[in-house]
Amino acid sequence: AQTVTQSQPEMSVQEAETVTLSCTYDTSESNYYLFWYKQPPSRQMILVIRQEAYKQQNATENRFSVNFQKAAKSFSLKISDSQLGDTAMYFCAFMNGQGFSFIFGKGTRLLVKP
Amino acid sequence: DAGVIQSPRHEVTEMGQEVTLRCKPISGHDYLFWYRQTMMRGLELLIYFNNNVPIDDSGMPEDRFSAKMPNASFSTLKIQPSEPRDSAVYFCASSIPGHNNEQFFGPGTRLTVL
Repeated sequence: AQTVTQSQPEMSVQEAETVTLSCTYDTSESNYYLFWYKQPPSRQMILVIRQEAYKQQNATENRFSVNFQKAAKSFSLKISDSQLGDTAMYFCAFMNGQGFSFIFGKGTRLLVKP
Repeated sequence: DAGVIQSPRHEVTEMGQEVTLRCKPISGHDYLFWYRQTMMRGLELLIYFNNNVPIDDSGMPEDRFSAKMPNASFSTLKIQPSEPRDSAVYFCASSIPGHNNEQFFGPGTRLTVL
């Protein structure tokens, strides 16, 4: 069975600084997808970034980028130039190549301080 | 598009009562998912549908929970009888094949069972 682990329950960062959120996963599959979702206080789940396991190039979306290490089964999220609006819970999620259901980590609560 | 719509946004009920949560997926999406979010267990998949047919209900906690999708634009999650341990936020999400596996989440229903 697949598992997703986020080892940092809470983190904080100063505005405009860079922060990295960790995620590790366990799977025996070779084809899968990894996601980071953001959940602000409004509770809405918002997709931040997506990575296909077969792609070696790390995904990037504006200030958000990932460090995908397939052999190590690691998928960290880097937020550059942190903004107050980045304050939220961040969830790492795994999806296998055949199914459509997510397995979520427990989340990391990020606080961006002014 | 209005996105995934869930109702009610908040529900407070007493133990033993029947609770019905509602979801309208994004038009054209043929996959629908129900998730439950709690502090202890995080985000868990309860059940998902494809073209109105339940595909995987292995996450449904017990017989008190049931879900239906009578048509492509409406789904319900029912708890009967409700118990205090059912208190959680329930999310509905929808997706369409080939759209990079992204799931679009509704705003969630916060259920409190007293």
